[in-house]
Amino acid sequence: DGGITQSPKYLFRKEGQNVTLSCEQNLNHDAMYWYRQDPGQGLRLIYYSQIVNDFQKGDIAEGYSVSREKKESFPLTVTSAQKNPTAFYLCATSTGAMITEAFFGQGTRLTVV
Amino acid sequence: KNQVEQSPQSLIILEGKNCTLQCNYTVSPFSNLRWYKQDTGRGPVSLTIMTFSENTKSNGRYTATLDADTKQSSLHITASQLSDSASYICVVSAPDDMRFGAGTRLTVKP
Repeated sequence: DGGITQSPKYLFRKEGQNVTLSCEQNLNHDAMYWYRQDPGQGLRLIYYSQIVNDFQKGDIAEGYSVSREKKESFPLTVTSAQKNPTAFYLCATSTGAMITEAFFGQGTRLTVV
Repeated sequence: KNQVEQSPQSLIILEGKNCTLQCNYTVSPFSNLRWYKQDTGRGPVSLTIMTFSENTKSNGRYTATLDADTKQSSLHITASQLSDSASYICVVSAPDDMRFGAGTRLTVKP
């Protein structure tokens, strides 16, 4: 919220298909993050980017890919290699390193059918 | 291993009552601790942020405490309202890491 837009809110995917989740921000924040949230677990970091054209793997990057061609945009692609993709995906931004406060988008609920 | 543990996992209280949520962590070195409120199907929203030197911080009916020696934090909610029903997530940061607790699911009933 507050300048971070995730779309779509709900997404359905057939097994074997790739799908891309959008995250756009107008906060002029340098850092952007993708998290996955599963019931009963804390948010887990998939990928993060602290500067345009650069990104790093988080704790659970396998089966996901990202790009950071623009400061405002950090799309996440869930590939067919991700064996259990059904989850709630959250995009976040911050002004700098991880110690600064993170602001979250409203999330995308991905369901594999 | 940097971890954040929250308790209880879920909590049900009556409207108007107070409650306290707990957060224990092993994240080191410690940079800050934040409490977020997450409504169902939405992104988390920050309630408080505390650094090493702060041991209490309030935001309306929400009061967070921090004991950096014992690595414990609590979030106290006073005079609960139905709109307080949500998950409350404790987040602890090191300089290059940020760890999330699994959250406490609070339900406030009329």
